[in-house]
Amino acid sequence: QSALTQPPSASGSPGQSVTISCTGTSSDVGGYNYVSWYQQHPGKAPKLMIYEVSMRPSGVPDRFSGSKSGNTASLTVSGLQAEDEADYYCSSYAGSNNFYVFGTGTKVTVL
Amino acid sequence: EVQLVESGGGLVQPGGSLRLSCAASGFTFSSYWMSWVRQAPGKGLEWVADIKEDGSEKYYVDSVEGRFTISRDNAKKSVFLQMNSLRAEDTAVYYCARSYIRSWYNWGQGTLVTVPT
Repeated sequence: QSALTQPPSASGSPGQSVTISCTGTSSDVGGYNYVSWYQQHPGKAPKLMIYEVSMRPSGVPDRFSGSKSGNTASLTVSGLQAEDEADYYCSSYAGSNNFYVFGTGTKVTVL
Repeated sequence: EVQLVESGGGLVQPGGSLRLSCAASGFTFSSYWMSWVRQAPGKGLEWVADIKEDGSEKYYVDSVEGRFTISRDNAKKSVFLQMNSLRAEDTAVYYCARSYIRSWYNWGQGTLVTVPT
């Protein structure tokens, strides 16, 4: 099972928005509404930011939003803040044979 | 507060075995699927294994099928990963995570497994 494709890096100034794409296939992203996004700061465990494509866990700011179109999911961070600088990974359920696949990861830099 | 605390990592020679443990608290452990997810040094995340609430279903990534075994003890609120025939490519931080609607809602701090070449 191949990893989902994410851009290696993305950046924006404080207050701006940044959108990260996550491209898979009809067997994973396109086939299920089970895309999730994780934020990971250096040396720390990942943190769930979005699940079921666009749902936010309690405590996650509404500056974080998710969407999906076809085989590509997206995470948008609006009103960038310094603490948003981190690595972001998408993940998708891929059915009973392959179960789960992660994205390649995107490093977000706040300029 | 949900807490997941992994233990059991360390340095092991190729071909050796290791058993990871994850102690859970702060939620009804027996009501959730549990997972192991790993991250090789400087690399991305990789799902390793899942176990159903009652332990009746277990799933693995192809690369560990037949070598790793996930199990759980609901009375002790713990999940385990028995790793046999370890290879250099198994070197990673192993995270225990609580599954929720096909995502991982809570994560432990991770435990490092090192298998030298």
